Amino acid sequence: AQSVAQPEDQVNVAEGNPLTVKCTYSVSGNPYLFWYVQYPNRGLQFLLKYITGDNLVKGSYGFEAEFNKSQTSFHLKKPSALVSDSALYFCAVRDQYGAPGGSYIPTFGRGTSLIVHP
Amino acid sequence: EPEVTQTPSHQVTQMGQEVILRCVPISNHLYFYWYRQILGQKVEFLVSFYNNEISEKSEIFDDQFSVERPDGSNFTLKIRSTKLEDSAMYFCASSAGAGGYTFGSGTRLTVV
Repeated sequence: AQSVAQPEDQVNVAEGNPLTVKCTYSVSGNPYLFWYVQYPNRGLQFLLKYITGDNLVKGSYGFEAEFNKSQTSFHLKKPSALVSDSALYFCAVRDQYGAPGGSYIPTFGRGTSLIVHP
Repeated sequence: EPEVTQTPSHQVTQMGQEVILRCVPISNHLYFYWYRQILGQKVEFLVSFYNNEISEKSEIFDDQFSVERPDGSNFTLKIRSTKLEDSAMYFCASSAGAGGYTFGSGTRLTVV
């Protein structure tokens, strides 16, 4: 079965500092990986995805994520955090082919609350 | 930018009542999904829908739940007899194919 782990419930960072939100995954085949952001009382907004190609993926609002196959990780990063980045961040994975033990349906992590202090 | 639209944004219902949550997916998308998020918990998959039938469903999606695409634009989730534990934010999503899932802003369902 596919799964996602976001080991940190909360990440605190000062404005202007780099931020990292961690994500590790498990799939039986090749992964498709996603990051979504959820602002209070709002839906999930797509940030970026890795399907194939360059391991460093750039997305919305200056965020990027690096796919590391050997470490089965897809950590979300931003060089300089803004207070407005404070939100709940979800990592998700699905199997490329929905192979046995995998699924076409994205499985979400439990989310990491990012708090950026002024 | 195309959006997935969900209505209502908030619904309060009495336990045992039926509710229908409505979604208008992006027009050229072919795959439709419902997820839910119980307050403070992770986003959980309920069901996916393709070619006018359910393609996958989770253990959560029991006989109390059903989905329908009654016309060319709407995608609905019905809960036949709501329970207190059905209180959650329900998200509709659609996709054209591999990746690129677009989520609606959700319907907050409160069962009292």
